Amino acid sequence: NAGVTQTPKFQVLKTGQSMTLQCAQDMNHEYMSWYRQDPGMGLRLIHYSVGAGITDQGEVPNGYNVSRSTTEDFPLRLLSAAPSQTSVYFCASSYTQGTEAFFGQGTRLTVV
Amino acid sequence: QQQVKQSPQSLIVQKGGISIINCAYENTAFDYFPWYQQFPGKGPALLIAIRPDVSEKKEGRFTISFNKSAKQFSLHIMDSQPGDSATYFCAASGGYGQNFVFGPGTRLSVLP
Repeated sequence: NAGVTQTPKFQVLKTGQSMTLQCAQDMNHEYMSWYRQDPGMGLRLIHYSVGAGITDQGEVPNGYNVSRSTTEDFPLRLLSAAPSQTSVYFCASSYTQGTEAFFGQGTRLTVV
Repeated sequence: QQQVKQSPQSLIVQKGGISIINCAYENTAFDYFPWYQQFPGKGPALLIAIRPDVSEKKEGRFTISFNKSAKQFSLHIMDSQPGDSATYFCAASGGYGQNFVFGPGTRLSVLP
């Protein structure tokens, strides 16, 4: 069982570039979410989805888009990268919203 | 009201000692309190969790103590080992249908 798989593991972007962080889970979980982790800030929720076709904003959604066309995949798009988006990004999935979250390995993103 | 406060920010303990990390919350609607453990370069993983109907939960060397009236909960690691060196996050949610709110994390170092 692969669990939650994130790609890429590392990425460097120039300011203004766009990119998509990929996230896939093979546990048939309904709930998926994206967090960013910054020193001293813990994990902050960016966007989440309670099922295919349904997405909603979290605490820090600005500059990010998501979609959920299948149960397995939940990509995160950076529309126009800014240095403030330099962070470690984690995708997580849960059986349902509010139950144990399973996290991916993370993507370390640097925007220069 | 959605915040979860966590202390200390960092903790150094000798091997065999007791590590104690404290968290506090304001939202009385929270009813699920997990602790996540994160090793460098990895995603967080669920360590232990408690619901407010009990005051203590123990799993091996890890114990959660919960004080509902004070709105506080803590993680105790008995007989701390160098392999316990990691970042620990407390979290809270209102249960099914609610997102998690994470504390800022505590970096634990256990000296051999």
